[in-house]
This record gives sequence, structure tokens and C-alpha cells, in this order.
Amino acid sequence: DIQMTQSPSSVSASVGDSVTITCRASQGISNWLAWYQQKPGKAPQLLIYAASTLHTGVPPRFSGSGSGTDFTLNIVSLQPEDFATYYCQQAYSFPRTFGRGTKVEIK
Amino acid sequence: QVQLKESGPGLVKPSETLSLTCTVSGGSIGTYYWTWLRQSPGKGLEWIGFIYDTENTNYSPSLKSRVTMSADTSRNQFSLNLRALTAADTAVYYCARDPDVAVPGAMGSFDIWGQGIMVTVSS
Repeated sequence: DIQMTQSPSSVSASVGDSVTITCRASQGISNWLAWYQQKPGKAPQLLIYAASTLHTGVPPRFSGSGSGTDFTLNIVSLQPEDFATYYCQQAYSFPRTFGRGTKVEIK
Repeated sequence: QVQLKESGPGLVKPSETLSLTCTVSGGSIGTYYWTWLRQSPGKGLEWIGFIYDTENTNYSPSLKSRVTMSADTSRNQFSLNLRALTAADTAVYYCARDPDVAVPGAMGSFDIWGQGIMVTVSS
């Protein structure tokens, strides 16, 4: 199985700040990477697929980059609704695997 | 728009079989990769497997010996059976859609999710 390692596990930020979350795959996955946002008691929601393509309706303050083993999710100008937990997921091989999540908290 | 909703028991006894159903509304099952996942504090988000075109399946190796998935196109539903339950199977179970080629480049990700159903394995 491909292991997905996210860092940091949590980050504190204020509204208007920028945040960067990293995800590392245990082997190369080209650009087969997705990012999700999850709020308490809700299902994850797809933000980005193919490492950098925003899903329909996702605001442009979210962006993704990377290829191979190292990926980043950037959020600029944090909004109150962005405080949530973010997960990366590899779509390169089976079984699909997820990172352990990064919780973006209000400072 | 397409919506998914899980249904099934919230409490199951150890050694028994969990049966969950996901109902697809707002669209037909068609040819997508209909997927089951689960989430627990201990294991995080875990992919269980998918069913495609009603008869093709792919299961996680760690669960393969205990999992069966099926689909009923007449009811627009797909189902998960997980046998020989233990406390480690306690989790929120989600059904989700892998859009495959319907969303170019998104194959392997999950663009639509059900609300989730909490399943507790306990006597």
C-alpha cells in the first residue's frame, strides 16, 4: 500500500492568513492526488483532484501543486468557513489511501 | 444533482454481518465506481472497495476476506456486506462516487459522498 504522510497535523491561523499543508507519498504517484475538506460531523468534500485541478465550485483561494511524491495544498486569505480538517488521498493505485489529516484551527 | 444516502443498522454484535445500502438519487447508477469507505479515530479514512457496472468489484486486501459488494440497478442502490465483525470495525461508513472518466482527471477521487452512518460493533 502507498503511505500518505501529511504535515503538520494541525495548524493555528487567523482569518486572512495563508496556510500551506504538505503531503508526501511513499512512492511516486505522478499527479494522482486529491485533497478533501472535512468539517465536524460531515463527510469529506472534494477540493482538488489531479494534484492541482479545482473541483467545481471550489473557491480559487485554494490551490494545489506537486507531482511524484511531494504535494502541497495552499489556502490564501483564510475565511471562517475554511477552518476544518484537510486530507490528501492517492488515486494512483489500489487500495486508495489517505493521509491522517491536517486540522486548521482558529488562532 | 446526484445524492447518496447510507442506510442500515447503527449497532451490530461482534461476529455478526454488517449490511449497508447506499441509495443513489438524482441520477442513475450507470457506469461509475461506487465506493465504500469508513472513518474511525484509530485508522482514519479507509477505502473498503468499489463495485463497477454492477458486477466488477475491487476490495481492500485488508478486508477482502470479509467483504462483499453488490448493486441493484432497478432500485438505484448498491450495498456492502462485512462479515465477522469486531470492535475494530466500529466506524462511520460512507458511500461515495468515483467519477471515473465522467470528470476528466478525477478518476480515483471521490466527488460525491453520502452523509455517513455511524456503526458500532458491541455486544
